[in-house]
Parts: sequence; C-alpha cells; structure tokens
Amino acid sequence: EAGVAQSPRYKIIEKRQSVAFWCNPISGHATLYWYQQILGQGPKLLIQFQNNGVVDDSQLPKDRFSAERLKGVDSTLKIQPAKLEDSAVYLCASSLVQDTIYFGEGSWLTVV
Amino acid sequence: DAKTTQPPSMDCAEGRAANLPCNHSTISGNEYVYWYRQIHSQGPQYIIHGLKNNETNEMASLIITEDRKSSTLILPHATLRDTAVYYCIVRVRNNFNKFYFGSGTKLNVKP
Repeated sequence: EAGVAQSPRYKIIEKRQSVAFWCNPISGHATLYWYQQILGQGPKLLIQFQNNGVVDDSQLPKDRFSAERLKGVDSTLKIQPAKLEDSAVYLCASSLVQDTIYFGEGSWLTVV
Repeated sequence: DAKTTQPPSMDCAEGRAANLPCNHSTISGNEYVYWYRQIHSQGPQYIIHGLKNNETNEMASLIITEDRKSSTLILPHATLRDTAVYYCIVRVRNNFNKFYFGSGTKLNVKP
C-alpha cells in the first residue's frame, strides 16, 4: 500500500516569496492533517480536514497560510508571503476516521 | 486535552532493553495512548497504541499502568537504528481524530 506522498521534498525561498506544498494521502483516508515542525520541537497541528471540510484550523496563521483539499483527496498548503520564522518541516498525515495517523516524509522549507 | 510528560532524553546500550516512560495523569477512560518515533529527516513513524491492556507488536511492547496514568514503551533489544525522538500521545476521542505532539524523548542508543 502506498504511503502519504508529499512534494517538494526541499524548498528554499526568499522572505516575502510564496510557496506551495502538495500532499496525496493514503487511498481511502478521509482525514488529512498538516503539521508544522520547527527544528528541535514536536509537530504542531496547523489544519485538519475530514473529506473536503475543515474541522480544525485554529493554529493556522490565516493571514499568510492557506490550505485546501479539493474533492476530498489531495491537499495543498500555501504560504504567502513567507517569513523567516516559517522555516520548518511541513508534514502531511492521513487517517481513516478515528484511527491511527500515518505521516509522509515531509517538505523542508528554508526561508532566507 | 490530556497532556503527556516525557523525559527530554535517555541513553541505552545497544542490545539492551530501552524503557521509555510517559505520564498522562489526566487521561480519560476512553482515550488511547499512542507512540510514534521520528528518525532525523523523516516523518514520524507509528509504533504502537493501547487503551487499557498491555500491547505487543513486532516493534515494541506497551505497558499501561492499571490506573492508566502512565505508560512505558519497551524496545526489547535496542539497536543503533532505534536512535530517534519518541513521542507519547493521548488521542483525543471525539468526533475528530486529533493527535497532539509534545517534545518527546530523544533516545540515544550507544555501542
């Protein structure tokens, strides 16, 4: 069974530029998560979808971050404009409803 | 949300058992305890989970105390490849499947 796919794996941008990350969850998983992990810290939940609806985006900085999950499958996380403090690993995860979550390898962002 | 407390770091000799503790004193009766680990530059990897009974799989064993206020993840024969950050998580049980991560325990397996 294919795991959670993420791209790009690495990205370097200048501050105030924009960036987008893509995630393809495990087939059949209704719930999709985006986490932000700053170096030395545990992952922080940014947004959670169930099918194509948002169930929690309380930690998402909505002035610069946006996410969508069209058709309840793939998802895109966008940052515009990026700040230096956005340098982190962006992790996508998916799960069946009320079940174990599985993570992708992450997208590493460096803002210079 | 039930919070977890883990030591920031632990050492273990290669070939010995690694016992990683976790306190979750505010856990509710229907909340699961999950363990994940994260090797540098990779996404977190699921290890094991449990509700009340002890659990064992090919990776590890999970021992949950009778009062459910703490648990221990056991890696029976640690190898250098088990060096990672281990996260203990209480899964919030409601309509939505939420997983909140703390800072975890950095396990250093030494030759």
